[in-house]
Amino acid sequence: DTEVTQTPKHLVMGMTNKKSLKCEQHMGHRAMYWYKQKAKKPPELMFVYSYEKLSINESVPSRFSPECPNSSLLNLHLHALQPEDSALYLCASSIPTDQETQYFGPGTRLLVL
Amino acid sequence: AQRVTQPEKLLSVFKGAPVELKCNYSYSGSPELFWYVQYSRQRLQLLLRHISRESIKGFTADLNKGETSFHLKKPFAQEEDSAMYYCALNFGNEKLTFGTGTRLTIIP
Repeated sequence: DTEVTQTPKHLVMGMTNKKSLKCEQHMGHRAMYWYKQKAKKPPELMFVYSYEKLSINESVPSRFSPECPNSSLLNLHLHALQPEDSALYLCASSIPTDQETQYFGPGTRLLVL
Repeated sequence: AQRVTQPEKLLSVFKGAPVELKCNYSYSGSPELFWYVQYSRQRLQLLLRHISRESIKGFTADLNKGETSFHLKKPFAQEEDSAMYYCALNFGNEKLTFGTGTRLTIIP
């Protein structure tokens, strides 16, 4: 398995909902990332996990809560989001010693109403 | 400040013509630079990195430390090259910083 998968592909949620995004890879990568990408903009880093530990949090609001339950799985828990949080959320993974070569998932397109 | 700049948001080139996508950076250390590409309805993927000095899909990019540039070039554009191209830089930490991207359109 040489891909990063993300579920769901699309998600619509209200501002009071709680939902989770899921990312999975079976390439043995021990670094995993969450990015947010608004339309016509580059990806913006949100979180980095290295060996299942959070190593970077780019001052992301607490309504986004990442979780790395094991080396293959990365979740992003969403609660009380705002409409401006609507975006494409990308997951990526890499070998920790080569963190620049990142393998991206297809993304989850999130709409907050 | 550490920054990656892609001055062209949009670039249109005729098929068969040369392509050059510009990328400049500001960083006082030794950068590691990359080009990522996103084809329509496909995921973002690595195209090439400066340390490998390889040619992928006919594209090359040379790091010019004097001009702090890492321009992406291809001698003869093909229609399948139409995509969004992002220059990215690693500033010696766990992060990749992406430029704002250039949308390349190849005119048949």
